[in-house]
Amino acid sequence: GAVVSQHPSWVICKSGTSVKIECRSLDFQATTMFWYRQFPKQSLMLMATSNEGSKATYEQGVEKDKFLINHASLTLSTLTVTSAHPEDSSFYICSAELGYGYTFGSGTRLTVV
Amino acid sequence: AQTVTQSQPEMSVQEAETVTLSCTYDTSESDYYLFWYKQPPSRQMILVIRQEAYKQQNATENRFSVNFQKAAKSFSLKISDSQLGDAAMYFCAYRRSTSYGKLTFGQGTILTVHP
Repeated sequence: GAVVSQHPSWVICKSGTSVKIECRSLDFQATTMFWYRQFPKQSLMLMATSNEGSKATYEQGVEKDKFLINHASLTLSTLTVTSAHPEDSSFYICSAELGYGYTFGSGTRLTVV
Repeated sequence: AQTVTQSQPEMSVQEAETVTLSCTYDTSESDYYLFWYKQPPSRQMILVIRQEAYKQQNATENRFSVNFQKAAKSFSLKISDSQLGDAAMYFCAYRRSTSYGKLTFGQGTILTVHP
């Protein structure tokens, strides 16, 4: 089946540095990629939607300058957390739309120290 | 805006028994899709079942079935013959019936299965 490969699965970074998370669609072309943030035992909160070749659409309250999303090709979307701070520590998940369903990456646990 | 509500933060069930997880949603649209996703401790999101709103027949996938009540805007998930591997967080989700659509998730229900 269709797979979205998300890397890294976990990352620890120092406060003030930037971290890039990649999501690759392995055997299909992902025109649209959704990026979510999830806190422990809570639901997935949509951060932004990226479309190949155009600017991402951010949800209300999400800082676009902090969470940079790039969808330069039909198989790769990236989320860069810039100038990360401890409050950015969370679980980030990408998801690609496939027909009228979705396939999810395995997630990235970000810890900012 | 569409909203999805899961009123049961936690549920538990004995192995081999049946459990029902509740979900209600609010929408002004007549055509849409509803989903149940499972998130085990690995945190990988797994599709459990999907329902198209225009279909009156309730979707079924092996031990998983839904009770879709369109007028009541209710979409519950029934898990029969519960297994230890069913322990997970379950999310109900809604998506508009358009060529592009984001998922709106409920708050989630943590299901514990007791041996």
